[in-house]
Amino acid sequence: GENVEQHPSTLSVQEGDSAVIKCTYSDSASNYFPWYKQELGKRPQLIIDIRSNVGEKKDQRIAVTLNKTAKHFSLHITETQPEDSAVYFCAANTNAGKSTFGDGTTLTVKP
Amino acid sequence: NAGVMQNPRHLVRRRGQEARLRCSPMKGHSHVYWYRQLPEEGLKFMVYLQKENIIDESGMPKERFSAEFPKEGPSILRIQQVVRGDSAAYFCASSPGPGQPYNEQFFGPGTRLTVL
Repeated sequence: GENVEQHPSTLSVQEGDSAVIKCTYSDSASNYFPWYKQELGKRPQLIIDIRSNVGEKKDQRIAVTLNKTAKHFSLHITETQPEDSAVYFCAANTNAGKSTFGDGTTLTVKP
Repeated sequence: NAGVMQNPRHLVRRRGQEARLRCSPMKGHSHVYWYRQLPEEGLKFMVYLQKENIIDESGMPKERFSAEFPKEGPSILRIQQVVRGDSAAYFCASSPGPGQPYNEQFFGPGTRLTVL
């Protein structure tokens, strides 16, 4: 089955700096890669996703890149703000439906 | 358009009791997924259901756990004879039905199960 590895497990940055979280996947059939943000005690919320037919997608301060050959994808957050502090999860999906999640990255943005 | 609904939000059970967790998908969604999240850990897939069918239960423990998504009513995750290790947050997600090649999933608020 699919295996998703996510790094780093914790990340601390200064407000205004950039943050990068990386994930690798194993199943070449995976074709949809969402990223979720989860605040303490709350549900995971989709923040951005990318499909296998594109290499990059951007939404304001958030961008995601995908390298299908290397089977890795990354989340980039620019101009970080304290409210970006949360746990971020990557996931990989095939058409079979279920999501395989990475173990999460705890991002702390220091004011 | 209401989002994914889960109830109860918090559930306390004693060891050996049964826990029933309910999930109502978003309107128009016919695919339901259950995930378990242990404290300070990631989300682990348990089961994927469509109406009246279990599509993938590869993440579900073989004993004590069962899931259903009847023709009418919510999806139910049932845990029999709960043990302390079952304490976790259980999240349900739903996605659009057939014809959608990419399954964007929307999560409910979760049920936090505590086993005493």
